[in-house]
Amino acid sequence: DGGITQSPKYLFRKEGQNVTLSCEQNLNHDAMYWYRQDPGQGLRLIYYSQIVNDFQKGDIAEGYSVSREKKESFPLTVTSAQKNPTAFYLCASSIGVATGYTFGSGTRLTVV
Amino acid sequence: GDSVTQMEGPVTLSEEAFLTINCTYTATGYPSLFWYVQYPGEGLQLLLKATKADDKGSNKGFEATYRKETTSFHLEKGSVQVSDSAVYFCALSDREGLVFTGNQFYFGTGTSLTVIP
Repeated sequence: DGGITQSPKYLFRKEGQNVTLSCEQNLNHDAMYWYRQDPGQGLRLIYYSQIVNDFQKGDIAEGYSVSREKKESFPLTVTSAQKNPTAFYLCASSIGVATGYTFGSGTRLTVV
Repeated sequence: GDSVTQMEGPVTLSEEAFLTINCTYTATGYPSLFWYVQYPGEGLQLLLKATKADDKGSNKGFEATYRKETTSFHLEKGSVQVSDSAVYFCALSDREGLVFTGNQFYFGTGTSLTVIP
């Protein structure tokens, strides 16, 4: 079955470390997205990519970086510059306006 | 700009009660409307959608009708179950004419539903 796979499900980061969250899709979708979700809150867009080798900042890109070298993959790096990284991170993909998004199951990042 | 406003929670209902979660939207183009559901610790799943005015989306006993005159897309279910306990997100996807420019997906803040036996 096609879908989006996020890994790991849980991730712990020490202060000052960079960590990378994986997102892989086999839906042949062009567009991919990263969202951050804090407890009891909605979704905030970090980065998005509409095509390979191209990506744009979302509303809260500071302290994060992405790459899109392959259509299937859109990894997110949480850098040490992100001062409050503890959150639930969701990856999504889309093929167009009428189909909506398909989401992965999320990665919960905790700073220890 | 585009936006989605949904009723604040949390909502607590007894099993078999009627559910309504209100959602209204503002859009400049030709939006498609969606409801997503998020179970604890999981990602969002598409529950239903409607792509044009007067369309009704339905799935698993949930329904929502795209009302352009009231700019609304309220979620309803006639008889909720304990397993419906989750957070529900209303969302819209807009486009300018026929062009989807990729960053035109807007989510509401979510409404938490708890169904008690």
